[in-house]
Amino acid sequence: AQTVTQSQPEMSVQEAETVTLSCTYDTSESNYYLFWYKQPPSRQMILVIRQEAYKQQNATENRFSVNFQKAAKSFSLKISDSQLGDTAMYFCAFKQGAQKLVFGQGTRLTINP
Amino acid sequence: DSGVTQTPKHLITATGQRVTLRCSPRSGDLSVYWYQQSLDQGLQFLIQYYNGEERAKGNILERFSAQQFPDLHSELNLSSLELGDSALYFCASSVEVLNTEAFFGQGTRLTVV
Repeated sequence: AQTVTQSQPEMSVQEAETVTLSCTYDTSESNYYLFWYKQPPSRQMILVIRQEAYKQQNATENRFSVNFQKAAKSFSLKISDSQLGDTAMYFCAFKQGAQKLVFGQGTRLTINP
Repeated sequence: DSGVTQTPKHLITATGQRVTLRCSPRSGDLSVYWYQQSLDQGLQFLIQYYNGEERAKGNILERFSAQQFPDLHSELNLSSLELGDSALYFCASSVEVLNTEAFFGQGTRLTVV
């Protein structure tokens, strides 16, 4: 069974700083998808960024980028120029084909003014 | 707006009661997933339906059941409710073809008193 591990329960940075959230996963599959979801205090689950395992190029969405290391089974999220609105719980997730999303336990990120 | 609609947004009920949570997926999405999130916890997968049929089951209690109807909306039925069932229940949907990301509804916050 696939597992996703987020080793940082909480992180805190100052506004405008860059922060990197870590995620590792375990799978024997070669084709899969990885995601980062953001859950702000409103509790809404918002898709931040996705990465297809067959793509070597790291995904980027504005201030959000990932460092995908397939061999190491590592998928970290970098937030550049952090903003107060980035304060949220961040979940790393794995999905293989039409199967369920498997989530990590989350990292609570606080951006301080 | 993710396009996934969940009703009701909030529900308060007494122990021993039965409730039904409803989910309307995004137009064209065939898969519906149900997740449970207790306070400050990660997301626990309950069950998945694909085009009307049950595809996968997670840690869903026998007191809980779900179904997906021909119009693809889904309902999660929770019976003999206990205090520990208080949680945020999310529905997510995915098209499952090429683009396998899942989009989440706003969740139903269930409080059992």
